[in-house]
Amino acid sequence: KNEVEQSPQNLTAQEGEFITINCSYSVGISALHWLQQHPGGGIVSLFMLSSGKKKHGRLIATINIQEKHSSLHITASHPRDSAVYICAVRSAPRDQFYFGTGTSLTVIP
Amino acid sequence: NAGVMQNPRHLVRRRGQEARLRCSPMKGHSHVYWYRQLPEEGLKFMVYLQKENIIDESGMPKERFSAEFPKEGPSILRIQQVVRGDSAAYFCASSWMNTEAFFGQGTRLTVV
Repeated sequence: KNEVEQSPQNLTAQEGEFITINCSYSVGISALHWLQQHPGGGIVSLFMLSSGKKKHGRLIATINIQEKHSSLHITASHPRDSAVYICAVRSAPRDQFYFGTGTSLTVIP
Repeated sequence: NAGVMQNPRHLVRRRGQEARLRCSPMKGHSHVYWYRQLPEEGLKFMVYLQKENIIDESGMPKERFSAEFPKEGPSILRIQQVVRGDSAAYFCASSWMNTEAFFGQGTRLTVV
C-alpha cells in the first residue's frame, strides 16, 4: 500500500470547470505539498500546508489533519492548467518525502 | 536568490560510463533530497542529506549509486557503470529545517 494515494489518476475538464483533486495519506506528517509538473518539465511547488487552507489565485488547497486528507481545487480552469499534479507529504518524525502517483489533468478549450 | 539549480539538464551516457548529477540548493538551505522519476512512473525518494551527512539513504539502490553533500559546493548524485534502467529524470529539492521544500528542474539521464 502506498503511503500517499491520489485520485483521480486522470482528469479531463472543459475550460471554466471547477476541478478537485484528492490526496489521502497514511503516515504522520509535518507538512503536505502540492506540486505541479508540466510534460518534460521541472516540478513547481504550489502549496505547502500543515493545517487549514491556502489560496493562490485560482488555486485553493485544504488539509484535514484528523482525516489525513487534502484537496487541491482549481476554479475557472484554463488549458494552461493542464499538467500533472502531485501530492507529497513530509513525514514526521522521519523527515522523508512520500509522493502520490500524480493526477494528469487536461483542460480542453 | 536563485532557485534550486540542477545541472546538467540533459545527460547522455553510454552503458558502463559514470553519471554525475549536481544539485545546488537554495541559498541558506542545508537539507537536500534526491528523487528519481522513471518513465511513466511517479517520483520515488532516493536519499536525504544534510551538509556532510547522509541522513536517510533507504531509497538508494544498494550498488553503483552514491550521494554526497559537502561542506562547500553542490550535492552530487553519482551513478557508476550506468545501465539502461538508470534512464530517468532525477530531481533534487532543498529546504532549511522543516520549511517549504523547493524543487529543481531535474536532470534527464539517458543511457544509450
